Amino acid sequence: GQNIDQPTEMTATEGAIVQINCTYQTSGFNGLFWYQQHAGEAPTFLSYNVLDGLEEKGRFSSFLSRSKGYSYLLLKELQMKDSASYLCAVILTGGGNKLTFGTGTQLKVEL
Amino acid sequence: GAVVSQHPSWVICKSGTSVKIECRSLDFQATTMFWYRQFPKQSLMLMATSNEGSKATYEQGVEKDKFLINHASLTLSTLTVTSAHPEDSSFYICSARGAWAYEQYFGPGTRLTVT
Repeated sequence: GQNIDQPTEMTATEGAIVQINCTYQTSGFNGLFWYQQHAGEAPTFLSYNVLDGLEEKGRFSSFLSRSKGYSYLLLKELQMKDSASYLCAVILTGGGNKLTFGTGTQLKVEL
Repeated sequence: GAVVSQHPSWVICKSGTSVKIECRSLDFQATTMFWYRQFPKQSLMLMATSNEGSKATYEQGVEKDKFLINHASLTLSTLTVTSAHPEDSSFYICSARGAWAYEQYFGPGTRLTVT
């Protein structure tokens, strides 16, 4: 089966930096997405990694190591509005390129 | 661009009735649409994948006779929850993908409550 793990909850301080890890063991890999989801809303796209390395986009960066089955999302200069659930999702090869989501990390940003 | 809508945004129905949820891609042609279910404080669980003009592919454990999916056009997919029961109460989210990329664009979700 597919296994994608993330920490359940994290707490950080406004203005700080936080790293959310994601490890995966899947049959096939076509890339990894990070999504942000506020309560009661649909996920919104943050990043997509298919090659090893760091992708930077403003306050958000995402890293991938395919050999280690590992990714992280780095959030800088945290703001209160960053309090949300962060989901990593792996695209599996074949089968319509469907996404398999991790367990999700609930991030709480405090003053 | 790449906007996906869902209707209704919330619905309350009585046990035993059927509910239809629509998912539309507003500004692109969606070759593939996906239906997810999400319980409170849990991640998204893929229910089925549908391609325009063909039968949906259901994930293991999802009853295809209970969750009817139709993808009649490149911009519309529907999910019908038949003979709904209280345990079907959940947040249902669709997503759509064009032919050009792997990225899925998510609809705003439908909150279903079965009483």
